[in-house]
Amino acid sequence: KQEVTQIPAALSVPEGENLVLNCSFTDSAIYNLQWFRQDPGKGLTSLLLIQSSQREQTSGRLNASLDKSSGRSTLYIAASQPGDSATYLCAVSKLVNNDMRFGAGTRLTVKP
Amino acid sequence: DGGITQSPKYLFRKEGQNVTLSCEQNLNHDAMYWYRQDPGQGLRLIYYSQIVNDFQKGDIAEGYSVSREKKESFPLTVTSAQKNPTAFYLCASALGPGTGELFFGEGSRLTVL
Repeated sequence: KQEVTQIPAALSVPEGENLVLNCSFTDSAIYNLQWFRQDPGKGLTSLLLIQSSQREQTSGRLNASLDKSSGRSTLYIAASQPGDSATYLCAVSKLVNNDMRFGAGTRLTVKP
Repeated sequence: DGGITQSPKYLFRKEGQNVTLSCEQNLNHDAMYWYRQDPGQGLRLIYYSQIVNDFQKGDIAEGYSVSREKKESFPLTVTSAQKNPTAFYLCASALGPGTGELFFGEGSRLTVL
């Protein structure tokens, strides 16, 4: 059974820092990996989707990488801002039916 | 605006009552999903549907039921058989099987009194 782990569970940084969030998964036979953002009491907002054939995706200050062989993905946030404060979740899909397995998330706080 | 609408946002239920959570999408997506989120845990899949009139159980389907009579609608009923129903429920959709990106609604918070 696919297990997804996110480390650290919580992270607090001063504004302006570059930071990396980690996601690991136990079964490397994935179809895609997706990073989400969740604000308190809200739904999930898709940030980046990486297909299994890709190594990375970029959107603005965000860059996500995927290393299937080692079962790892990282989300890099450049020049962090207080508005980036949220919980970030990664999810992997093994099957074509989009049955995605989620990590518990990393709660990020960016201090002004 | 295209998107996924969940209602109600907050719901209170007495023990022994069934409640139905609504999920409507106007994205013309074939696949729809229901997840449950508990504090400090990842999302867990309750049910999913890849096409109208068809749905499959996820990891924690016991005590829940769904229907998919229309492409745009995928309601979830939390029955009295669900032992611990207090949670945050999230509905999601995707264009279709194998098409990748998952989109979510704003969620419904159910509290059992």
